[in-house]
Amino acid sequence: RKEVEQDPGPFNVPEGATVAFNCTYSNSASQSFFWYRQDCRKEPKLLMSVYSSGNEDGRFTAQLNRASQYISLLIRDSKLSDSATYLCVVRRGGTGGFKTIFGAGTRLFVKA
Amino acid sequence: DVKVTQSSRYLVKRTGEKVFLECVQDMDHENMFWYRQDPGLGLRLIYFSYDVKMKEKGDIPEGYSVSREKKERFSLILESASTNQTSMYLCASSFVRLNPYEQYFGPGTRLTVT
Repeated sequence: RKEVEQDPGPFNVPEGATVAFNCTYSNSASQSFFWYRQDCRKEPKLLMSVYSSGNEDGRFTAQLNRASQYISLLIRDSKLSDSATYLCVVRRGGTGGFKTIFGAGTRLFVKA
Repeated sequence: DVKVTQSSRYLVKRTGEKVFLECVQDMDHENMFWYRQDPGLGLRLIYFSYDVKMKEKGDIPEGYSVSREKKERFSLILESASTNQTSMYLCASSFVRLNPYEQYFGPGTRLTVT
C-alpha cells in the first residue's frame, strides 16, 4: 500500500463547476501537508500548504483531517487553466531526518 | 526568480551506456534531490544531498549514483543504463528551514534507454 494515495482520475468537469479531490496518508507521524500542481509536460509547483484549521487561497480551499488521515482540495468556479495534475504531498520526520512523500496525482480536465 | 535547470530536456541512450544528468540551482539551497516520475507511481526519490559532498540514498537508489562537488550542482549518474531506467527525471532543491517548506523543481529530463 502506498503511503500517500490519491484517486488518479481523470476528473472531467465543465467550466464553472466545483470539484474536490481527496488524498489519504497512512503514517500518523506525518506533520506537514501540501498540494502541488503539475501542468502537462511541466514540473510540479507548490499550489498551497494545508493547515489544520483549513485554509483558502482564492478559489482553492484545502482541508486536513488528522483523525481520518486525509487531506482535501476544493476548487470552486473551475477555469480551463485549472486543467492539470494535482499532487498531494506529505512531510514527516523519521530516523534519517525529514522525508517528503508525493502522491501519484489526480488529473483534472476542465472543459469549455 | 527561483531557478533550477537541467542539462537536457530529452535524452536517448543505449543499454549499457553511462549517462550523466546535471542539475543546477541558483538559489543557494542546501538540499538537492533527484526523483524519477513514472505514470501511476508518482515521484520516487532516488538520492538527495543536504550539503556539498554529502549524499543520502532515497527509496530507489539501485543503478544510480550522484555527485555534489559544488553547492549549486547535483549530478545523477546511471553507470550502465538499462531499459527499465526509461523515465522522466526531475531535480529539485530546497532550503533546509523554510516555512512553508517548498521544493523547487527543474523542467525534467525525459530519458529513453533503447
